[in-house]
Amino acid sequence: DAGVIQSPRHEVTEMGQEVTLRCKPISGHNSLFWYRQTMMRGLELLIYFNNNVPIDDSGMPEDRFSAKMPNASFSTLKIQPSEPRDSAVYFCASRRTGSYNSPLHFGNGTRLTVT
Amino acid sequence: AQSVTQLGSHVSVSEGALVLLRCNYSSSVPPYLFWYVQYPNQGLQLLLKYTTGATLVKGINGFEAEFKKSETSFHLTKPSAHMSDAAEYFCAVSFSGGYQKVTFGTGTKLQVIP
Repeated sequence: DAGVIQSPRHEVTEMGQEVTLRCKPISGHNSLFWYRQTMMRGLELLIYFNNNVPIDDSGMPEDRFSAKMPNASFSTLKIQPSEPRDSAVYFCASRRTGSYNSPLHFGNGTRLTVT
Repeated sequence: AQSVTQLGSHVSVSEGALVLLRCNYSSSVPPYLFWYVQYPNQGLQLLLKYTTGATLVKGINGFEAEFKKSETSFHLTKPSAHMSDAAEYFCAVSFSGGYQKVTFGTGTKLQVIP
């Protein structure tokens, strides 16, 4: 079990640039979650997918944010254009659907810095 | 709506002392409760979980938590703190209905003083 894999680990970009964060969930997990963590706001759920379908994107802060899950083994979170206030650690997590008590498995996160 | 409240954003204990991190939830249906730990520059890892059955749940690294329905609480304890326990701890709740959304508390940073 390779765990949830996120890339890149660190991303530094300039304001206005497009940023794409990537996530590979654990094989067999068909729920995927994107979280954002900051000192000020803590851990925020941005969006989650069930069987590759977006279920709840109410946490996506603005239209500048978009997420896709084209297949069961890959998801992206895109920010276009990026702004300094988007600086945060972004986590991807996956879970096995069908068992409500199954825990989330987190990746190590992508630390995004927008200058 | 489900919610979780963690009392105290920072807790300091001496090495060897009791660790007590508080978590309360609100729910109209039976909850599933979790504690996660986050070490610096890492993702969250599961410490323990409560589903049904025994209300005292044992987790990794000597931690345990007790589900008290009457108090809507799920406090995390460890009898003797170790320096390696310094981390941030998150309580989380999920329910059997809906789309299995997991709601996290705001986290408690544990400092262990030598």
